[in-house]
Amino acid sequence: EVQLVESGGGLVQPGGSLRLSCAASGLSFSNYWMSWVRQAPGKGLEWVANINLDGSRKNYVDSVRGRFTISRDNAKNSLFLQMDTLSGEDTALYYCAINQFWGRGTLVTVSS
Amino acid sequence: DIQITQSPSTLSASVGDRVTITCRARQSISTWLAWYQVKPGKAPKLLIYAASSLERGVPSRFSGSGSGTEFTLTISSLQPDDFATYYCHQYNAYFGPGTTVDIK
Repeated sequence: EVQLVESGGGLVQPGGSLRLSCAASGLSFSNYWMSWVRQAPGKGLEWVANINLDGSRKNYVDSVRGRFTISRDNAKNSLFLQMDTLSGEDTALYYCAINQFWGRGTLVTVSS
Repeated sequence: DIQITQSPSTLSASVGDRVTITCRARQSISTWLAWYQVKPGKAPKLLIYAASSLERGVPSRFSGSGSGTEFTLTISSLQPDDFATYYCHQYNAYFGPGTTVDIK
């Protein structure tokens, strides 16, 4: 059974940083593209970033490009999202995703 | 980047109606597409994966079809629990903008 467990969310002030982590199990992690998606309160679903199998290719939605960095550690079956220069618009539940498999999400709240 | 369009944006229907939602990709994405149901305050619910495979536990009134650039989600007989917003999702990339199914 595929399991994805996110961590690292929390309350951060505008302009601050957070690093999200996702631990994967139940699949051959290094064989899959991975991504982060988010859902802001009362809003729809938004893809945030993805990364290819060996981490050499990364793509971002325009609103986070230059502020967020996606990375992975295949040896540890882990995915990361470094989020810098956060603003209130980044407040959301962040999910780690592999194809149709999602974790339960970790909440990021940006507020003073 | 391959992006996804989805139509209609809103759909008014009655219980028992057959409902169809369409997503189109700019370039072929094979069958790398899923459909989700979203209700306020709840986690997104996976309905269909690989374009046409029904997720375990999802009622059989939901079905998906398509490949390449055009995909459809069909609800064969709309039930009260189905009034929600539906999103298509290209694996590891863009979501469609969503279709809200509300009561006619």
